[in-house]
Amino acid sequence: QPVLTQPPSASASLGASVTLTCTLSSGYSNYKVDWYQQRPGKGPRFVMRVDTGGIVGSKGDGIPDRFSVLGSGLNRYLTIKNIQEEDESDYHCGADHGSGSNFVWVFGGGTKLTVL
Amino acid sequence: QITLKESGPTLVKPTQTLTLTCTFSGFSLSTSGVGVGWIRQPPGKALDWLALIYWNDDKRYSPSLESRLTITKDTSKNQVVLTMTNMDPVDTATFYCAHRRDYAEFDIWGQGTMVTVSS
Repeated sequence: QPVLTQPPSASASLGASVTLTCTLSSGYSNYKVDWYQQRPGKGPRFVMRVDTGGIVGSKGDGIPDRFSVLGSGLNRYLTIKNIQEEDESDYHCGADHGSGSNFVWVFGGGTKLTVL
Repeated sequence: QITLKESGPTLVKPTQTLTLTCTFSGFSLSTSGVGVGWIRQPPGKALDWLALIYWNDDKRYSPSLESRLTITKDTSKNQVVLTMTNMDPVDTATFYCAHRRDYAEFDIWGQGTMVTVSS
């Protein structure tokens, strides 16, 4: 099954841009990855799904146009432009793997985004 | 509008069985392609997928926890129930249920319910 790796922290100034990275383990370059935003004290919120072709399907409800995704090789990126205070959150990536009895859903360790 | 809400005990003792209920609205778990999953998050740690049940009663479990988990649905009550046996303090976490459709993402999540395991 894939392992998803995320840096534990990131920071960006108000109004700036930041790119968060989720890296799939070797051999899983064709996998779709989901991005989730988790504000402090809240449940996760789906942002969007990405593969090497870019966004897959639609953005989550209420996700602003400032959020975009890209995929390249083993990396899946979430870019936030014109960062706002409300974007300060933990960002998790996740992916499903397998089918039938060997199905699993895996998550990365999450990246805590601090808005300076 | 899809909503999900988790409920259950806030405190359980070691070795006890935890029973959590996810009550949802805005969709039916008898509709083809629909599923409901459970995910937990220990304090300050990563999300950890536990189980998933589909409209056709197909069930999937985390391999590392499968022996301790049971997921069931009651379509008439719009509820999904997760039981977890032999609880241990390391199982202390916030438990979330989430909606899944057409084998895609978990698009809508509940607010979560915090469960502490302590004697």
